[in-house]
Amino acid sequence: QVQLQQWGAGLLKPSETLSLTCVVYGGSFSGYSWTWIRQPPGKRLEWIGEINHSGSTNYNPSLKGRVTLSVDRSKNQFSLKLSSVTAADTAVYYCARGRVAGGHTFDVWGPGTMVTVSS
Amino acid sequence: DIQMTQSPSSLSASVGDRVTITCRASHDIRIFLNWYQEKPGKAPKLLIYAASSLQSGVPSRFSGSGSGTDFTLTISSLQPEDFATYHCQQSYSTPRTFGQGTKLEIK
Repeated sequence: QVQLQQWGAGLLKPSETLSLTCVVYGGSFSGYSWTWIRQPPGKRLEWIGEINHSGSTNYNPSLKGRVTLSVDRSKNQFSLKLSSVTAADTAVYYCARGRVAGGHTFDVWGPGTMVTVSS
Repeated sequence: DIQMTQSPSSLSASVGDRVTITCRASHDIRIFLNWYQEKPGKAPKLLIYAASSLQSGVPSRFSGSGSGTDFTLTISSLQPEDFATYHCQQSYSTPRTFGQGTKLEIK
């Protein structure tokens, strides 16, 4: 049974860098897209970006170059960095596994991390 | 970006009811449409992928249909554990986008 566990700072000040890491337990790291998704309070889910096991990335253009995804295959981990955060980046952040077969679905999710940006 | 619009945004129903939620895409996405169920304090759970394929372990009372721009999620007989928020998501292109969600409440 594949499980994702995530961690990172939950309270940031404006202009700081958000940093979250997700570890994959119990399954293969290769053959999937490892994804970050967020949900601001009262708003819809927003796809942040994805990275595969070899490090190839896809980012949401709406985040204007502030996002960096990385992967550590030796630890079955992938990470998100979002620079220059503002209050608009306050959200629950989820890591998820992107399964390409069947049309790129998010079939396993981490529990979510609430990140608040406040001065 | 492909815009996803769900209707209704909220819905009240009773246990045993048949419920349908719709999702419309701003462009043709063929069958690249997925449905998720979200409960308070929990991560979303995949229900339906590729418009009509049931994810392993999901009860058969859930079904999906549609192609192109118009899709539906149907719950044939509501159970108490089905009261939740439902999200559609297109996987046709990046950025991958979600609908605004449909909150299903007990009448």
